[in-house]
Amino acid sequence: NAGVTQTPKFRILKIGQSMTLQCTQDMNHNYMYWYRQDPGMGLKLIYYSVGAGITDKGEVPNGYNVSRSTTEDFPLRLELAAPSQTSVYFCASSYGTGFTDTQYFGPGTRLTVL
Amino acid sequence: AQKITQTQPGMFVQEKEAVTLDCTYDTSDPSYGLFWYKQPSSGEMIFLIYQGSYDQQNATEGRYSLNFQKARKSANLVISASQLGDSAMYFCAMRDSGNTPLVFGKGTRLSVIA
Repeated sequence: NAGVTQTPKFRILKIGQSMTLQCTQDMNHNYMYWYRQDPGMGLKLIYYSVGAGITDKGEVPNGYNVSRSTTEDFPLRLELAAPSQTSVYFCASSYGTGFTDTQYFGPGTRLTVL
Repeated sequence: AQKITQTQPGMFVQEKEAVTLDCTYDTSDPSYGLFWYKQPSSGEMIFLIYQGSYDQQNATEGRYSLNFQKARKSANLVISASQLGDSAMYFCAMRDSGNTPLVFGKGTRLSVIA
């Protein structure tokens, strides 16, 4: 049981380049999330999904896109990378939306935009 | 709106001593959950402990316990018998019944000294 997996672990992009951060969970969780963590800060929500085909914006969605075609996968797309997107990106999942449901996190992707 | 406040940017504790990490929260929803996560230097987010707003007793998980004071809206994490491996960032988070994703505080960096 792998839990939440993310690829790549590290990536360096040039300004204006695009990339997709991959996230997969094998826990049959309905809900998936993308957060970013800037140095010395807490986590800020980018996007989340409550099921296949349904996504919603979080606190900091600008510059990102998501899709959810399957229960397992929730990729995050950066279209035109900017230095402000240098951060660590975490994917997470939870079974339900109840206030008792724990979110489980992937290992993170460290992205640098130069 | 939900809000989490962690006022201690950094804490030091002697090995084998107990330490309390502070967390206060704000929500108008009577149904909510409070979570603590540990982030070691390797970067992953590890779930530690959960407390529900209707739970009558303080949550405990091994050396971790949660000092839940509902009237004060505080949910402090207590780590007993600190170990060198406890050195990490610790994040308090919450979710109420009206919101799906967790909201995080800015974290407290704990350093355990031998």
